Amino acid sequence: NAGVTQTPKFQVLKTGQSMTLQCAQDMNHEYMSWYRQDPGMGLRLIHYSVGAGITDQGEVPNGYNVSRSTTEDFPLRLLSAAPSQTSVYFCASSSTGTGVYEQYFGPGTRLTVT
Amino acid sequence: KNQVEQSPQSLIILEGKNCTLQCNYTVSPFSNLRWYKQDTGRGPVSLTIMTFSENTKSNGRYTATLDADTKQSSLHITASQLSDSASYICVVRGGSQGNLIFGKGTKLSVKP
Repeated sequence: NAGVTQTPKFQVLKTGQSMTLQCAQDMNHEYMSWYRQDPGMGLRLIHYSVGAGITDQGEVPNGYNVSRSTTEDFPLRLLSAAPSQTSVYFCASSSTGTGVYEQYFGPGTRLTVT
Repeated sequence: KNQVEQSPQSLIILEGKNCTLQCNYTVSPFSNLRWYKQDTGRGPVSLTIMTFSENTKSNGRYTATLDADTKQSSLHITASQLSDSASYICVVRGGSQGNLIFGKGTKLSVKP
């Protein structure tokens, strides 16, 4: 199993550009989520999905869109990038979004917006 | 407010020595507490998950303790190795929505 994969690993955008961060998992997990990690702060939840066709907002959803058309994929879209979105983005998956189920993280995408 | 506080912020120890990292939380209601290890440039990897009724849990040289009454947890690393150099993140699942609430992490450097 590849686990959770993310592409690209690094990306530089200009302010106002759009892009999609890709995330895929091969563990048949229902729950998938996106986090951002900024220096001096804990990981913060952007959006999450409890299954195909179902998504919801997390703590910091503004400026980001998600969709979940399949169990395996959960892309994160930046519609109009801003310097405040410079961060490291992690995708994660688990069997469910509650309880003691293990949460598996991808390797991250480091995004810089100039 | 649901919060997870970790101390120290950073720590430098010599290879072979032991160390203990601290985590205090104010999350309510509490579901479980996790410790993750995050190597530089990588995603977090789970070390332990502890529920309300578990006081101690080990994973090799890593031993986590939980005191649900005082809302404190610790991660003890025995006989440290250079590969233990990483950030260690305390995470609590809880609150009204049962989300994961992340601490800021402790950056551990193990020197030869």
